[in-house]
Amino acid sequence: AQKVTQAQTEISVVEKEDVTLDCVYETRDTTYYLFWYKQPPSGELVFLIRRNSFDEQNEISGRYSWNFQKSTSSFNFTITASQVVDSAVYFCALSETANTGNQFYFGTGTSLTVIP
Amino acid sequence: EPEVTQTPSHQVTQMGQEVILRCVPISNHLYFYWYRQILGQKVEFLVSFYNNEISEKSEIFDDQFSVERPDGSNFTLKIRSTKLEDSAMYFCASSAGQTSDSPLHFGNGTRLTVT
Repeated sequence: AQKVTQAQTEISVVEKEDVTLDCVYETRDTTYYLFWYKQPPSGELVFLIRRNSFDEQNEISGRYSWNFQKSTSSFNFTITASQVVDSAVYFCALSETANTGNQFYFGTGTSLTVIP
Repeated sequence: EPEVTQTPSHQVTQMGQEVILRCVPISNHLYFYWYRQILGQKVEFLVSFYNNEISEKSEIFDDQFSVERPDGSNFTLKIRSTKLEDSAMYFCASSAGQTSDSPLHFGNGTRLTVT
């Protein structure tokens, strides 16, 4: 079973539109951590945010915001006023405390294309 | 800002050959990892390494794979006899702590092409 599901495979938006990337996770742990990473066309993985399971407060960082809801096991990511430079693949990831090796479970990614 | 560096950025090898992918983790990090991403697919865990030994490995990490920290700075992934299906982007990562909330800092990846 998938521990992290990103149902949106590809999304295209026109520049300046808002876009939300969905992430649904599955875990039996009471303590866990959620992450978002960005993978631009150049291929590297860039860390965006970490959230622990005890902190459901939404977070905003510039044009980025994250909505964590334990009740629906979701950790969605919204980009406001999208720009062409936001075009990338975005991965949601889960880390469980039961992991001794700090293994991350990645979703399959959502490819975002921002059209100028 | 310190970063994880990987060399080479692209490696082409023939099936059956041995390859060594090299990584220099962030200097004060203690936990090291290799992940793999087959083109267009998700990022998959291969192995984690701490205190000079493997702490966890996935089913993908079979006997043809090995990792080593030969000195105080490098962390290598060796594939003994490459197969076509080993073609992928290989990411090295490091983290400061072992607790789950330590974000992984990834290198830019090595694209391995097996022909």
